[in-house]
Amino acid sequence: GQQVMQIPQYQHVQEGEDFTTYCNSSTTLSNIQWYKQRPGGHPVFLIQLVKSGEVKKQKRLTFQFGEAKKNSSLHITATQTTDVGTYFCANTGTASKLTFGTGTRLQVTL
Amino acid sequence: DAGVIQSPRHEVTEMGQEVTLRCKPISGHDYLFWYRQTMMRGLELLIYFNNNVPIDDSGMPEDRFSAKMPNASFSTLKIQPSEPRDSAVYFCASSPGLAGEFVPSYNEQFFGPGTRLTVL
Repeated sequence: GQQVMQIPQYQHVQEGEDFTTYCNSSTTLSNIQWYKQRPGGHPVFLIQLVKSGEVKKQKRLTFQFGEAKKNSSLHITATQTTDVGTYFCANTGTASKLTFGTGTRLQVTL
Repeated sequence: DAGVIQSPRHEVTEMGQEVTLRCKPISGHDYLFWYRQTMMRGLELLIYFNNNVPIDDSGMPEDRFSAKMPNASFSTLKIQPSEPRDSAVYFCASSPGLAGEFVPSYNEQFFGPGTRLTVL
């Protein structure tokens, strides 16, 4: 089946530094959803990207969908300790079925 | 709405025992999903239902796993017999279903808090 890879697997940053996670697929993605999972918590929906080249912003978070719809990225500007968690991208497939990426775990220290 | 409800939150059992995990989706959601999360394999979809009907169970590891949805407000995931390699966090999620008329736009999934299963 389709595999959605994310890089890096883990990143440790100082508070105030920027952070980017990349989501890549060998096949064309349908739509991309991004989720955040806090340590010990459950995935929580952040956003959905639908169109080729789409860019969406949520405060310090910027989400982008590649022109060829084979990749996506999440960029956080000036990270805060509240950004700690694992960020997953997910490709929407048939009838609401999601294929989750491998996730990027973000650690932020003061 | 209380969100997706799962029980129990933690389950510790011995190998060979039957385990039943329960889920109550958000009222009005047409889709229900069961996921398993482990460090090694990440977040895997096991099975999902649409309007109480199983649509895709290709992620169910083997015959020891079974899932039912007898009505719109309740689903179970059963493991019989359980094995240590089944230890994981099991999430239930629900979704309103498809949205958008001209551009396929899938609704977000709402996850429950999960059940942490430990099989000794």
